[in-house]
Amino acid sequence: GAGVSQSPRYKVAKRGQDVALRCDPISGHVSLFWYQQALGQGPEFLTYFQNEAQLDKSGLPSDRFFAERPEGSVSTLKIQRTQQEDSAVYLCASSLAGGRMNTEAFFGQGTRLTVV
Amino acid sequence: LAKTTQPISMDSYEGQEVNITCSHNNIATNDYITWYQQFPSQGPRFIIQGYKTKVTNEVASLFIPADRKSSTLSLPRVSLSDTAVYYCLVGENYGQNFVFGPGTRLSVLP
Repeated sequence: GAGVSQSPRYKVAKRGQDVALRCDPISGHVSLFWYQQALGQGPEFLTYFQNEAQLDKSGLPSDRFFAERPEGSVSTLKIQRTQQEDSAVYLCASSLAGGRMNTEAFFGQGTRLTVV
Repeated sequence: LAKTTQPISMDSYEGQEVNITCSHNNIATNDYITWYQQFPSQGPRFIIQGYKTKVTNEVASLFIPADRKSSTLSLPRVSLSDTAVYYCLVGENYGQNFVFGPGTRLSVLP
């Protein structure tokens, strides 16, 4: 596709429910990132993949958060037993190169998760 | 990761030049300075990146003094559509483990 695609755009979950958020990065992009953005705040880093390898998951707030990218393309962010503080926009970004090369990151429109 | 400080908000009028300054006193030798723009309900979008002196593209200019402890994003002749949040980031590459901070909310008035 032309850009990073995320689905669904909006998700309402009851507290305690599990959710799965999908990210389709730009084809051929090696790096994939997940960010969490609370209302009125800047995005906060969650995790980073280089191809299928999850190289950094230091930003995941708890063990209820899990991300995967099994074939090095599509990625899924899963949140188990959702809580109200999980309500935020979840952003996915991809970039062409991996490692320490300087390449521009392209962001999707995000998934707005509301936990009620 | 180098911490950045930028104004929380700025107002401007259409047609004016806007300069947003970002402080990054503990920038490291290998760090680049990158600016992103974010419109409501959209993900951030890359604007410009630089290491030192001046960088210019079709959207903006980035001025970096010799000590690299600050940088200034310059938007020439802004329009209403430039109303957005602008983030200054410092790090070794474009995306890995970026610290965005709250950004600068620019409001362009008619």
